[in-house]
Amino acid sequence: DAGVTQSPTHLIKTRGQHVTLRCSPISGHKSVSWYQQVLGQGPQFIFQYYEKEERGRGNFPDRFSARQFPNYSSELNVNALLLGDSALYLCASSLVTRELGEQFFGPGTRLTVL
Amino acid sequence: SQQGEEDPQALSIQEGENATMNCSYKTSINNLQWYRQNSGRGLVHLILIRSNEREKHSGRLRVTLDTSKKSSSLLITASRAADTASYFCATDETYGNTPLVFGKGTRLSVIA
Repeated sequence: DAGVTQSPTHLIKTRGQHVTLRCSPISGHKSVSWYQQVLGQGPQFIFQYYEKEERGRGNFPDRFSARQFPNYSSELNVNALLLGDSALYLCASSLVTRELGEQFFGPGTRLTVL
Repeated sequence: SQQGEEDPQALSIQEGENATMNCSYKTSINNLQWYRQNSGRGLVHLILIRSNEREKHSGRLRVTLDTSKKSSSLLITASRAADTASYFCATDETYGNTPLVFGKGTRLSVIA
């Protein structure tokens, strides 16, 4: 079975631009979470979606938004990019929302903002 | 914000030695999990220990949890060069609204 997939793998943008990152969860998983990992730090939670509804949001500005589609895939959008948005963006899927047990992570999208 | 704090930040050992990493956290949890990350790529789940468990084993991994001290340790026995990676603890907070709260990680280097 395919694991969590993310696209693109790498992305280079300039300040002020907009970016869309995509994630496909493991088949049967209805929850998708997004994390930002800055170099040298642990992942920080951005959003969680379950059954197409937002179930949690981390401490990120409104420039960050996300959505989940009927097939449970998800998009993370970031507007008005800043240099500080350069990071590895990780998507994780799981069967349910809380007391999840294991989350399954994708390989990530490396975003560089110049 | 990050709840967990791993200790040490970096660890270098010889192949065959044991590696111990510690994690401290701040709030009540449902469970604590350990993940491994190779070269800044995706995270791989290693082991989960629930709040009512004190010790758990999986292959060469041994995890302990002390909820009174809000701390956990990960022991990797008989380490191999392939164990070289960053290791993160992550907590599922009882009253939080986030799936997992990660620490900053321990970078483990196993020298052949």
